[in-house]
Amino acid sequence: GQQLNQSPQSMFIQEGEDVSMNCTSSSIFNTWLWYKQDPGEGPVLLIALYKAGELTSNGRLTAQFGITRKDSFLNISASIPSDVGIYFCAGSVYGQNFVFGPGTRLSVLP
Amino acid sequence: EAGVVQSPRYKIIEKKQPVAFWCNPISGHNTLYWYRQNLGQGPELLIRYENEEAVDDSQLPKDRFSAERLKGVDSTLKIQPAELGDSAVYLCASRSQGNSPLHFGNGTRLTVT
Repeated sequence: GQQLNQSPQSMFIQEGEDVSMNCTSSSIFNTWLWYKQDPGEGPVLLIALYKAGELTSNGRLTAQFGITRKDSFLNISASIPSDVGIYFCAGSVYGQNFVFGPGTRLSVLP
Repeated sequence: EAGVVQSPRYKIIEKKQPVAFWCNPISGHNTLYWYRQNLGQGPELLIRYENEEAVDDSQLPKDRFSAERLKGVDSTLKIQPAELGDSAVYLCASRSQGNSPLHFGNGTRLTVT
């Protein structure tokens, strides 16, 4: 079945630093979603991408839909303590079943 | 608008007991999903509904799991009997139509002892 890989698995950064993470797939998707999950909560949608090459921002977050349609990237600029959490990517073909990656765990050191 | 509502938030049961989870999706969202999330992993699909029809239940362990969405709105997920390996967070999500994104509830954390 479809599988997503996320890199890095975890990262520790200093407050104020920029963050980059990515998600790769063995299959082509036409929708990429990025979520953030805090402990004890459900995943919260950050950014949705629908077109190859698309670059979309949400405040300090920027995500890109890879041109091969097999990958996506998420960047966070000027990290702050509340950015701590687990970031998941999810891919779908025509909005049917969404497959999730294993997550990137972000820790921000003051 | 109100988000996806799930209950209970937490449930502790002994193995072999039955358990049920309830989900109320966002109003107007026709598609409803149940996902299971094991510790340290991403959500994994159990079942997807389009209105009241289960259009994909290929990942649902049908020997012990069942789900229903009788009126195409609320949904319940049941496990009977529960096993130790069923301990996980059960997430419900909904979306409107087309290529719209998923919106999740806060999940039910199940612990089977």
